[in-house]
Amino acid sequence: SQQGEEDPQALSIQEGENATMNCSYKTSINNLQWYRQNSGRGLVHLILIRSNEREKHSGRLRVTLDTSKKSSSLLITASRAADTASYFCATDSYIIIQGAQKLVFGQGTRLTINP
Amino acid sequence: DVKVTQSSRYLVKRTGEKVFLECVQDMDHENMFWYRQDPGLGLRLIYFSYDVKMKEKGDIPEGYSVSREKKERFSLILESASTNQTSMYLCASSKYRGGSTDTQYFGPGTRLTVL
Repeated sequence: SQQGEEDPQALSIQEGENATMNCSYKTSINNLQWYRQNSGRGLVHLILIRSNEREKHSGRLRVTLDTSKKSSSLLITASRAADTASYFCATDSYIIIQGAQKLVFGQGTRLTINP
Repeated sequence: DVKVTQSSRYLVKRTGEKVFLECVQDMDHENMFWYRQDPGLGLRLIYFSYDVKMKEKGDIPEGYSVSREKKERFSLILESASTNQTSMYLCASSKYRGGSTDTQYFGPGTRLTVL
């Protein structure tokens, strides 16, 4: 079942502009993560935000989390051509099976940075 | 750096063939996962393993089986491949058990085509 839903499904901006992607989820979470996937490759972890955090920064990335609205946003500032990729949010299951944290991924936002 | 490798980047098989997809991680991670990724459906969990010889069904286990005989290796088996199993298959691993916050590390993916 889908937990995270990203919005928009696709985003195209000019190099240097900021890109904002949103993620909504349905059930309570412990943490929310964002991953990036370059075309035809595996996913790479970008940033994790805990349920008791509201905002987190990593380089040009800023993530916010609003647990009351069950939503998160990923902001990429001063975008570059190399940021062209798909971005996924992932939420953890509240019930951890056998101690392994199961993640549920959204369908992703396809970001294109035009030179 | 964590490295997760998958045995093939591209694979073409015929309907009815038995298919083995191999995944190896080199960081002594406890948990390993198999996902498939399809356009419009995002990543869906097939199976995961939290220990050697232990496995749990994910969201779409039908038509698949798995094997984990060694900690570093997790195999996905398609007993009798069908055309609807044409997809990108992604392996991932994560370190912790016991409820700790966890990041998943992904392999590059195997694009399987079943003719």
